[in-house]
Amino acid sequence: FMLTQPHSVSESLGKTVTISCTRSSGNIASNYVQWYQQRPGSAPTTLIYEDDQRPSGISDRFSGSIDSSSNSASLIISGLKTEDEADYYCQCYDGPNNVVVFGGGTKLTVL
Amino acid sequence: EVHLLESGGGLVQPGGSLRLSCTASGFTFSTYAMSWVRQAPGKGLEWVSRIFGGGERSYYADSVRGRFTISRDNSEDTLYLQMNGLRVEDTAVYYCAKDSTGSPHSWGQGTLVTVSS
Repeated sequence: FMLTQPHSVSESLGKTVTISCTRSSGNIASNYVQWYQQRPGSAPTTLIYEDDQRPSGISDRFSGSIDSSSNSASLIISGLKTEDEADYYCQCYDGPNNVVVFGGGTKLTVL
Repeated sequence: EVHLLESGGGLVQPGGSLRLSCTASGFTFSTYAMSWVRQAPGKGLEWVSRIFGGGERSYYADSVRGRFTISRDNSEDTLYLQMNGLRVEDTAVYYCAKDSTGSPHSWGQGTLVTVSS
């Protein structure tokens, strides 16, 4: 299966933005979704794991959810800051095929 | 605190070989699966390979199967990626990652591999 993300999104400082991740086949709920943030020139970091869990040290401005009706996952970032400008990737583990699937990434611009 | 440090990247000619290493600390290395993920210049993340904690099973992306071999030395807390038959399209930053429930969770800083004549 594939994971499709918008190529880019933009939103104003202090606002809330949602980044979507749509699964092409199979149920979005059948495998956990992870979200990663990658700032320019840096390694990725895990923002959300197991659909909606935050690692220790990650701000509660970041949240994740899944929606079976649209077969998609969402990353919601509230109270946007300039430091949130980065690339964001969703990811699922395809257990039956033992492969890790990444979305193509979304570039977030904070206006 | 989990710490992962990759090494071994560099410039290699097409058809050549390179071995990447990833030294781990801050967790019980042998109890976690580990992955390699790469990122070509200006492109997104691409999963490369994964190995179980005991080294008993490993999996590969179609793009590298038959050319790359993942392995680990649990006595040295080190993960490896042997890359043979390198192609220009293998040029990328290679990250090692500690897995959680099948997915990369903690990441290293990466090592750059450039395949060029």
